[in-house]
Amino acid sequence: ELKVEQNPLFLSMQEGKNYTIYCNYSTTSDRLYWYRQDPGKSLESLFVLLSNGAVKQEGRLMASLDTKARLSTLHITAAVHDLSATYFCAVDIINDKIIFGKGTRLHILP
Amino acid sequence: SQTIHQWPATLVQPVGSPLSLECTVEGTSNPNLYWYRQAAGRGLQLLFYSVGIGQISSEVPQNLSASRPQDRQFILSSKKLLLSDSGFYLCAWSVPNIPNTEAFFGQGTRLTVV
Repeated sequence: ELKVEQNPLFLSMQEGKNYTIYCNYSTTSDRLYWYRQDPGKSLESLFVLLSNGAVKQEGRLMASLDTKARLSTLHITAAVHDLSATYFCAVDIINDKIIFGKGTRLHILP
Repeated sequence: SQTIHQWPATLVQPVGSPLSLECTVEGTSNPNLYWYRQAAGRGLQLLFYSVGIGQISSEVPQNLSASRPQDRQFILSSKKLLLSDSGFYLCAWSVPNIPNTEAFFGQGTRLTVV
């Protein structure tokens, strides 16, 4: 059974600090996604990671994938308040299911 | 461009009433389609997914069902709603044969069963 584990589940941090969210999964994956969700809203796509060693960056967010360790990370650099949201990773087994982690609720303090 | 439509945005239904939520995708062919439910403050639970017309895989045996009568239409139904069916329902689609693309989500339906 495919399991996707995120940690931490809750994170409160100061503006300007760096932090990393971890996403571990239990079986071979075809694609790994990161999403952002604001309260009461749907999911907004952030990154798609396909291959081992893939790294993508957008603004203060950077995602990486290590398929051998079955680990993806989402790194936040010099956090700002606007990044407060819930972040989800998801593992896609093509032509099968997409399973989400439980999400990391990020609260950035001014 | 591809878009996904999901309606209604909010719904309040009494216990025991039927449910029908519809999701349609435009601008692509033969997508994979998904229904998720999210309880308040929680993660996304996969309910159903479909890789083609008439092909439905169920992840959670409940009083819900799904159908895919057309290539780009995915319907979530219930004959009798329970209080525990309340939540935020999200439809999503993906195109597996296009690399480097993610799954896209509709705006969601917030269902309250009273």
